[in-house]
Amino acid sequence: EAGVAQSPRYKIIEKRQSVAFWCNPISGHATLYWYQQILGQGPKLLIQFQNNGVVDDSQLPKDRFSAERLKGVDSTLKIQPAKLEDSAVYLCASSTRDRGTNEQFFGPGTRLTVL
Amino acid sequence: AQSVTQLGSHVSVSEGALVLLRCNYSSSVPPYLFWYVQYPNQGLQLLLKYTSAATLVKGINGFEAEFKKSETSFHLTKPSAHMSDAAEYFCAVTYYNQGGKLIFGQGTELSVKP
Repeated sequence: EAGVAQSPRYKIIEKRQSVAFWCNPISGHATLYWYQQILGQGPKLLIQFQNNGVVDDSQLPKDRFSAERLKGVDSTLKIQPAKLEDSAVYLCASSTRDRGTNEQFFGPGTRLTVL
Repeated sequence: AQSVTQLGSHVSVSEGALVLLRCNYSSSVPPYLFWYVQYPNQGLQLLLKYTSAATLVKGINGFEAEFKKSETSFHLTKPSAHMSDAAEYFCAVTYYNQGGKLIFGQGTELSVKP
């Protein structure tokens, strides 16, 4: 079974530029999560999708971050414009459904450096 | 507020020694608890989870954890450390009404000395 795929793996941009990350979850997984992991901290949920609908985006900085999951499969997370404090690893995870007992499977992440 | 605290950002043990990584949660409702491991430049991998069944949970790679409600703890242990156990370990919590949203601790980096 293929795992969660993310691209790119690394990205370096200057502040005020835009950037987009892509995630392809495990086939058949209805729930998709984007987490932000700042160096030295645990991951923090940015947004959660159930199929193509947003379940929780309470911690997403909506003035600069956006995300979509068209057709309920792969997803894109965008930052526009980027700030220095956005430097982090962005992790995508998926699970079969949005239950606390269901395991989340994580992708390798995209490491973003904002200069 | 619901939170997870991992005591000790860095833990160092000798190969063959006991591994003990501490995790405490803060909540007034029954939790679901998880331990994840993260190797350099990789995503998180589930080690084990507690979802209200047996309080002693066994996971992969010889790790286990015990849920103690009275102490609000879910410490991770392994009887004998191996060099390959060196990694970052995260404790996480969620609840039945949270849609699977995980709240992570800040992580503990485990070093294993030969």
